[in-house]
Amino acid sequence: KAGVTQTPRYLIKTRGQQVTLSCSPISGHRSVSWYQQTPGQGLQFLFEYFSETQRNKGNFPGRFSGRQFSNSRSEMNVSTLELGDSALYLCASRPGGLNTEAFFGQGTRLTVV
Amino acid sequence: AQSVTQPDIHITVSEGASLELRCNYSYGATPYLFWYVQSPGQGLQLLLKYFSGDTLVQGIKGFEAEFKRSQSSFNLRKPSVHWSDAAEYFCAASTQGGSEKLVFGKGTKLTVNP
Repeated sequence: KAGVTQTPRYLIKTRGQQVTLSCSPISGHRSVSWYQQTPGQGLQFLFEYFSETQRNKGNFPGRFSGRQFSNSRSEMNVSTLELGDSALYLCASRPGGLNTEAFFGQGTRLTVV
Repeated sequence: AQSVTQPDIHITVSEGASLELRCNYSYGATPYLFWYVQSPGQGLQLLLKYFSGDTLVQGIKGFEAEFKRSQSSFNLRKPSVHWSDAAEYFCAASTQGGSEKLVFGKGTKLTVNP
């Protein structure tokens, strides 16, 4: 069974631009969550989607948004990039039921210059 | 507020020595508890999880963790460390039966000396 796939793996953007990251969950998984990892703040929850609906949202500005498609693939978008958005963005998928663990992708390393 | 604390930022052990990584949580009710490992530039791999039941949990790669409700702790242990165990370890928690949101500790970086 293929794992969680995130594309691209590496990205360099300029301040003020926008960026879209993609996540393909494990086949059959309906829940996708996104996390931001930085040296200063550690791992922080961005949002979670289940069956195309956002179920939970972390404490991030509105520049961070996401969506989920009918095939459970998810994208997250960051608009008006700031230097502080440089981070490793991790996607996690779950089957969606209770008592299930999250499986993480390799992440997308975003560098804002 | 819900939180997970890993008191040790960096731990160094010799290969073959035993290991214990500490984790404490602060939640209204007992959460689900997890340990993940991350190698440089990589994603997170689940080592083990605690949902309920037996308080001693076995995981992959020879790791185990013990849930202690009275101490709000979920410490990770390994009897004999291998050089390949060098990585960063994260303890995480989520609300039982509710949000899928994981709250992570700041991580403990493990260095293994030959």
